[in-house]
Parts: sequence; structure tokens; C-alpha cells
Amino acid sequence: QVQLQESGPRLLKPSETLSLICTVSDDSISNYYWSWIRRPAGKGLEWIGRIFSSGSPNYNPSLMSRVSMSMDTSKKQLSLKLSSVTAADTAMYYCARGTKGVDNYFDYWGQGTLVTVSS
Amino acid sequence: EIVLTQSPATLSLSPGERATLSCRASQSVSNYLAWYQQKPGQAPRLLMYDASNRATGIPARFSGSGSGADFTLTISSLEPEDFAVYYCQQRGKWPLTFGGGTKVEIK
Repeated sequence: QVQLQESGPRLLKPSETLSLICTVSDDSISNYYWSWIRRPAGKGLEWIGRIFSSGSPNYNPSLMSRVSMSMDTSKKQLSLKLSSVTAADTAMYYCARGTKGVDNYFDYWGQGTLVTVSS
Repeated sequence: EIVLTQSPATLSLSPGERATLSCRASQSVSNYLAWYQQKPGQAPRLLMYDASNRATGIPARFSGSGSGADFTLTISSLEPEDFAVYYCQQRGKWPLTFGGGTKVEIK
């Protein structure tokens, strides 16, 4: 079964840009939608956006002005960038695969990476 | 955006008891609702999709119901491994949103 692994800097200062990579274990990266989702401490999950190998990404309007996603199918990697971070962006960040045929649920998730924003 | 409100926030039950979790949407999402289970230090796991369909490998003690704006996840008889946090998620309208979660804890 597919495995996902998030990586990237864990500690950021306010106003910096968060950059995370999600590495997918198999060639399915070209055939599914992939999303980034986060969970701030003590809160529920928040969908950040999704990307497919073709077409434009879809972003949560609440983050649209600061977020950017991309995909490198040759490296089997997804990328998330979130600019001008504040303490409110401190969260566990997950990448997840959209379910086949019904794209907007998530059947495989990475273990997540905790990103802390602090001065 | 659609707000999903889960209740109760915490459910204290004993193994073998029945658990009933609620998810209410701020407007209709048809049957486009999923449930996830998350244990500490683990990624969420898809349990149910489109309100009443069990995901692959999910035991039959989990069942989902509802449509429109009111949904229920039922665990017929709690096993020790079922104590976790449960989230609902809708795909009826953009953006995709999740509920705040219900923690099922051991009484």
C-alpha cells in the first residue's frame, strides 16, 4: 500500500515561508488528487488544498492568498508553501491521498510533521 | 463555508458499550460525509464515506447514517482499540471542511 512521508523545517519565525515536501512511495502520484491538511493543537482538522498531476490546484479560500502547491511526478513529491506565517499556523501538517472515484475523501495519510512558528 | 459541529466533545464509555457520535452541518451536504478515526501519534484513518459506506477493512461494528445536515456514527460494541478521536468531513461544498472532533475515552 502507498506510504506518504512529510518532511521540512519544523521551526519557523513569524513572517517566514513554510515549505514542506511529501514523498509518495509509488507511482500512483500521477493518478490521484493529493491534499494538504493541518491540525492546530487542540483544534480540528483544516483542509489546505489539493493538487492533481494536471490542471490547477484548488485552495481553501481562507489560505488562498498565502498558499502554493506543486507536484514533481518524476521525484514522486508534493510541495506545500505557506508564506507570511504567524503563530496561528503552528500545526501538525499532513499530506493525504484523495479516494479514487470520489476524490474528496482521504484514504491514505502521512504521519504528519509538526511545524511551530515562534519568535 | 460549511461548519460541521460534532457532539459530544467527549464521550466516556466502557468497552462493550455502544457509542453514538453526532455531526451536524450548517447546511445540507446531501450524503457527502465521511468519518475518520485518529489515535495519538497516528494519522487519521478513513472509516466511513458518503455517510453509510464502510471503507476497506473497517469492521462491521462501525456504522454510519444520516443525510442532509444530521449524521451519526455508531460503534455497536466498543473494543479497546476504538478509544480515539473521531472527525467528520464533508465534500458537499467547497471548501472541504472537518468537524472539531469527538474524543471517545475509557470510562
